[in-house]
Amino acid sequence: DAGVTQSPTHLIKTRGQQVTLRCSPKSGHDTVSWYQQALGQGPQFIFQYYEEEERQRGNFPDRFSGHQFPNYSSELNVNALLLGDSALYLCASSFRGPDEKLFFGSGTQLSVL
Amino acid sequence: DQQVKQNSPSLSVQEGRISILNCDYTNSMFDYFLWYKKYPAEGPTFLISISSIKDKNEDGRFTVFLNKSAKHLSLHIVPSQPGDSAVYFCAASPLRDMRFGAGTRLTVKP
Repeated sequence: DAGVTQSPTHLIKTRGQQVTLRCSPKSGHDTVSWYQQALGQGPQFIFQYYEEEERQRGNFPDRFSGHQFPNYSSELNVNALLLGDSALYLCASSFRGPDEKLFFGSGTQLSVL
Repeated sequence: DQQVKQNSPSLSVQEGRISILNCDYTNSMFDYFLWYKKYPAEGPTFLISISSIKDKNEDGRFTVFLNKSAKHLSLHIVPSQPGDSAVYFCAASPLRDMRFGAGTRLTVKP
């Protein structure tokens, strides 16, 4: 049973560029959440997708957008990259319910130069 | 806004002793709390959770205590093992916007 998979594992971009990160949820999961983890901090909630719609959003600018596909996989897009966007981006999947537990992928380490 | 706080960035204990990791929260609407463990180059892994209707939950060597009046929870690991060395994150929910603390790095010395 494959867990949450993310690609790529590492990425280097320059300021102003755009990036797309990908996530495949754990088998049986229908909800995908994206988190940004800066160095020395805990994961910060970006947004959550369920039924191909953004259901909840954290305090991130519109430069951060996403998409969920019919097979529940998801993409995170970041436009006009800033140096401060350098972080580990974590995808987590879950099955919607009262005791929803997040299962995390290993993350994509994004460096913006 | 730091609604979930882990005030100890690091903790070091001897193998076989108890490890106690603490977490405070400010939002009384939080009703579900979780602990995650993170090894380098891996994503956080779910460890144990507790609902706000309980004050204690055990799973093997791991016990989570919740004090709602103090808005405080703690994770006890007994006995601690070197393999427990990792960063531990406290998280609080309402579900769709899980909030994480900054983490505590636990080092268990042989």
